[in-house]
Amino acid sequence: GAGVSQSPRYKVTKRGQDVALRCDPISGHVSLYWYRQALGQGPEFLTYFNYEAQQDKSGLPNDRFSAERPEGSISTLTIQRTEQRDSAMYRCASSQERETEAFFGQGTRLTVV
Amino acid sequence: TQLLEQSPQFLSIQEGENLTVYCNSSSVFSSLQWYRQEPGEGPVLLVTVVTGGEVKKLKRLTFQFGDARKDSSLHITAAQPGDTGLYLCAGAGNWKTSYDKVIFGPGTSLSVIP
Repeated sequence: GAGVSQSPRYKVTKRGQDVALRCDPISGHVSLYWYRQALGQGPEFLTYFNYEAQQDKSGLPNDRFSAERPEGSISTLTIQRTEQRDSAMYRCASSQERETEAFFGQGTRLTVV
Repeated sequence: TQLLEQSPQFLSIQEGENLTVYCNSSSVFSSLQWYRQEPGEGPVLLVTVVTGGEVKKLKRLTFQFGDARKDSSLHITAAQPGDTGLYLCAGAGNWKTSYDKVIFGPGTSLSVIP
């Protein structure tokens, strides 16, 4: 596609439910990043992939968070047993290769009620 | 602990004024990127600096990478209301994190008043 696509744009879920956030990167981009961003703050690193390999997941807050990119393209960030503190904007970015320009998607606004 | 710090956190200036925002770290990065983010949108890359001491200019914006590759500055000349946004620095190639992970600073929120 022309840009990084994230879905859904908005997600409201009840506390305790599982959610899956999808990221479709720019075609051919090797690196894919997941960030979480609070209003007015910089993106907080969660995890990233080179191709299908998860290179670093040190930013995932706890074991309720997981991510995969099985075929080296689309990625899914899953949050199990959601809690209100998980409410945030979740942003995905992709880049052609390591350390090059990151292109961001529009984000998924998650609200846990 | 933030690996990248930015200052000031907030800045409100009149149209036509000059300003400088700073990005600092105690660690060395292979490259630093500057992004600008408008409300409701994702960050968009402005520039990447790679060489210590490097200066890059983009119209009214001047970016500098410190000699030791630990800090960077962004200078805007004759600010315009369209410059309003969140300015983010991002570092890549830092041995403390992992070599090719891109991490962001907390941002400087700039408001230019007409």
